[in-house]
Amino acid sequence: SAVISQKPSRDICQRGTSLTIQCQVDSQVTMMFWYRQQPGQSLTLIATANQGSEATYESGFVIDKFPISRPNLTFSTLTVSNMSPEDSSIYLCSVEGTEQETQYFGPGTRLLVL
Amino acid sequence: QKEVEQNSGPLSVPEGAIASLNCTYSDRGSQSFFWYRQYSGKSPELIMSIYSNGDKEDGRFTAQLNKASQYVSLLIRDSQPSDSATYLCAPKINSWGKLQFGAGTQVVVTP
Repeated sequence: SAVISQKPSRDICQRGTSLTIQCQVDSQVTMMFWYRQQPGQSLTLIATANQGSEATYESGFVIDKFPISRPNLTFSTLTVSNMSPEDSSIYLCSVEGTEQETQYFGPGTRLLVL
Repeated sequence: QKEVEQNSGPLSVPEGAIASLNCTYSDRGSQSFFWYRQYSGKSPELIMSIYSNGDKEDGRFTAQLNKASQYVSLLIRDSQPSDSATYLCAPKINSWGKLQFGAGTQVVVTP
C-alpha cells in the first residue's frame, strides 16, 4: 500500500480566510482523490485530480471554492477558499494502490472554522 | 442518485461472537467493492475488497457479494474489542476510481 502524508494535520481558521492542504505520496500514482467528512457523516468525494489535467469536481463542489493543484505524480493540494463554519470537516486525500483498484487514505486534515 | 445503504447501528456484539454487516447499492454497473474500518478520529483503513460473486475470506473477515441482489456483506468472526469501529461499505462506481460510501455501521464489541 502507498504511504500518504497530509499537512497540516489540523488547523483552526477564521471565517473568510483560505487554507491549503497538502497531500504527499511515497510513490507515483495516476489518480488522487479529495474527500470531505463532515462531523458524524460519511465520506463525500470533492474531486478527482489527474496529473496534467484539470481536476474533475463532483456535483455540489466548484473550483472557485475548492481549487486543486496536481503538479506531479506524487503531490496534490486542495485549497478551501473563503471559509465559513460549514466548511469545518475532515479533509482526506486518497490514492489508488498498485493492487487491483484498491484505494488508500491519508491521515486527514481536521479543519475547524470559527 | 446512486445510493449505498447500510444499517447505522450501533451493532452491539459480544466478544467472541460474529458481527454481520450488510450493504446494498443501487448502481448495477459497480464491479468492485470495498470495506473500510474507521476508528473514531482516524482515517478509513481498507480491510477487504471483493470483485466476484461469492465469499472471500481474509483472517477473521469474510466478505460476501451478490451482484444480482446488489448486496455485499462483511462478517467478522471471533469479534474483539479492537473491532469496535465504524465500518464503511464503498462500491466503485466509475472507471476513474470513484468510491461511493455508505453512512457506515458502528460496531461495538462488548467484553
